[in-house]
Amino acid sequence: EIVLTQSPATLSLSPGERVTLSCRASQSISTYLAWYQQKPGQAPRLLIYDASNRATGIPARFSGSGSGTDFTLTVSSLEPEDFAVYYCQHRYNWPLTFGGGTRVEIK
Amino acid sequence: EVQLLDSGGGLVQPGGSLRLSCAASGFTFSKYAMSWVRQAPGKGLEWVSAISDTGVDTYYADSVKGRFTISRDYPRNTLYLQMNGLRAEDTALYYCARILVNYWFFDLWGRGTLVTVSS
Repeated sequence: EIVLTQSPATLSLSPGERVTLSCRASQSISTYLAWYQQKPGQAPRLLIYDASNRATGIPARFSGSGSGTDFTLTVSSLEPEDFAVYYCQHRYNWPLTFGGGTRVEIK
Repeated sequence: EVQLLDSGGGLVQPGGSLRLSCAASGFTFSKYAMSWVRQAPGKGLEWVSAISDTGVDTYYADSVKGRFTISRDYPRNTLYLQMNGLRAEDTALYYCARILVNYWFFDLWGRGTLVTVSS
């Protein structure tokens, strides 16, 4: 089973700041990684798939990069609605797994 | 409107059974693989099971293999998860999710249905 490790667990930031989240895989997964955003009481929302492709309707301030074992999600300038928990997920093989999540909170 | 409506959760005793349902609307159900993902209270996301667009191929997390069965009904545009031998650790909010075509990522989610396993 591929383990995805997200860091840091929590980030405290202010609106307008740039944020970079990390997801590290326990083995190479090519670019087969997605990022999701989850707000309290809501289902997750797909942001990025295959490392760098924005999903439909996702603002351009969200971008993803990486390949192999190291991946990043960047939000260029945090909007108030971006404070949430972010998860990564791979599709390299079965079972599909998620990272433990990074909470981005308002400072 | 494109949506997934999951239902069927509830309180069940350890060892009991439940069947979850997910009604799909607004898209061609037969063209998409589908999946279940769960989230224990206050915890992260855990993939549970998936089924191909044709229904031929099914996949399970080790934690549920042999106890849970995923299936789909095309005329009813409905996805199911039959859960047997339930354990306390199965307590979670269960989300139905659509799989992005050609990618095993989840591009549409239901609102979730809560399963509580407790005596």
